[in-house]
Amino acid sequence: GENVEQHPSTLSVQEGDSAVIKCTYSDSASNYFPWYKQELGKRPQLIIDIRSNVGEKKDQRIAVTLNKTAKHFSLHITETQPEDSAVYFCAASMDQPGNQFYFGTGTSLTVIP
Amino acid sequence: KAGVTQTPRYLIKTRGQQVTLSCSPISGHRSVSWYQQTPGQGLQFLFEYFSETQRNKGNFPGRFSGRQFSNSRSEMNVSTLELGDSALYLCASNRDGDQETQYFGPGTRLLVL
Repeated sequence: GENVEQHPSTLSVQEGDSAVIKCTYSDSASNYFPWYKQELGKRPQLIIDIRSNVGEKKDQRIAVTLNKTAKHFSLHITETQPEDSAVYFCAASMDQPGNQFYFGTGTSLTVIP
Repeated sequence: KAGVTQTPRYLIKTRGQQVTLSCSPISGHRSVSWYQQTPGQGLQFLFEYFSETQRNKGNFPGRFSGRQFSNSRSEMNVSTLELGDSALYLCASNRDGDQETQYFGPGTRLLVL
């Protein structure tokens, strides 16, 4: 089955700096890659996603890039703010019935004011 | 629309007992997925139900089971609880399943003593 690895597990940045989180996947059949943000004590919430027919997608300060050949995708947060502090999860899924998402183990991002 | 709800929010059980957790999806959503979240392991897929049918199952022992009712509400059951079953159990819903945005519930935190 699919295996998603996520790095780093923890990340501290100064407010205003950029943060990058990287994920790799093993199964070339995966074609949908969402990113979730989970604040302490709250539920995961989708922040951005990308499909395999697109190389990059941006939404304000957040961007995701996908390299299908290398089987990796990354989350980029620019101009970080303290409210960006949370755990971020990447995930991958294939286009098949059953809606199974394979998640990375999470990155705990701390933005230092 | 009301979000995904889960009951109970917190639960304490002892080894050997069984437990039933409930998830009510967003109105109109027919797919419900269940995940186990533990520190260091991230979110691990348990199973997914769509129109009362289990379409996909993760790599968990048979002690973990679930079902879905005609109103799309879902329950998961864990029998013969073990200490290692202590975790946050999250359910997520979306309309039709495959590769759509998943909306997570707040989770049920289970502690097995």
